[in-house]
Amino acid sequence: QKEVEQDPGPLSVPEGAIVSLNCTYSNSAFQYFMWYRQYSRKGPELLMYTYSSGNKEDGRFTAQVDKSSKYISLFIRDSQPSDSATYLCAMRERSGSARQLTFGSGTQLTVLP
Amino acid sequence: DAGVTQSPTHLIKTRGQQVTLRCSPKSGHDTVSWYQQALGQGPQFIFQYYEEEERQRGNFPDRFSGHQFPNYSSELNVNALLLGDSALYLCASSWDRGDEQYFGPGTRLTVT
Repeated sequence: QKEVEQDPGPLSVPEGAIVSLNCTYSNSAFQYFMWYRQYSRKGPELLMYTYSSGNKEDGRFTAQVDKSSKYISLFIRDSQPSDSATYLCAMRERSGSARQLTFGSGTQLTVLP
Repeated sequence: DAGVTQSPTHLIKTRGQQVTLRCSPKSGHDTVSWYQQALGQGPQFIFQYYEEEERQRGNFPDRFSGHQFPNYSSELNVNALLLGDSALYLCASSWDRGDEQYFGPGTRLTVT
């Protein structure tokens, strides 16, 4: 079983829809949670970074963390065709000096105009 | 402010050869991590360099080695290339006291 599970999709939605992307994890030591966006053949771009359980909002993006359920989500409001990309969740343990990230396999999102 | 840069962009090598990939971190960052991303998968941690030393290593064989220079730039070396080493190699930089890692565009390595 992978430490981080993410539905690979593909997910296709009409422009303006609310998108929900999710990851589950098994390692209770994970304390920091990130969402990255990766366009085709590009490097991942950091979208959201959260530490505690609860919600964090940044523009059209909301990240949600539920540590008791080991479940994190990313919501995209008013989705745009430019949001079409692969979305990767990533997380890391609090302890340890290297702060290595463990990633999900990514969800491919297409927003149709 | 230049972000993380990597070179070369693409590389084609033959099985058994050796390859060196290069990374320059974002300005102000002193820590470099390397990840391997196979097609359709999330990045996998290879190792991290800080103060010119390997600080932590993921589950990769000794064929994968690296180096960090005094200006914080870094190299990833892979010896005795296998077909399975074909992937996108990503460099991420961060500040040692920070939590956020910023990725470069990657080097796409194809082993034939």
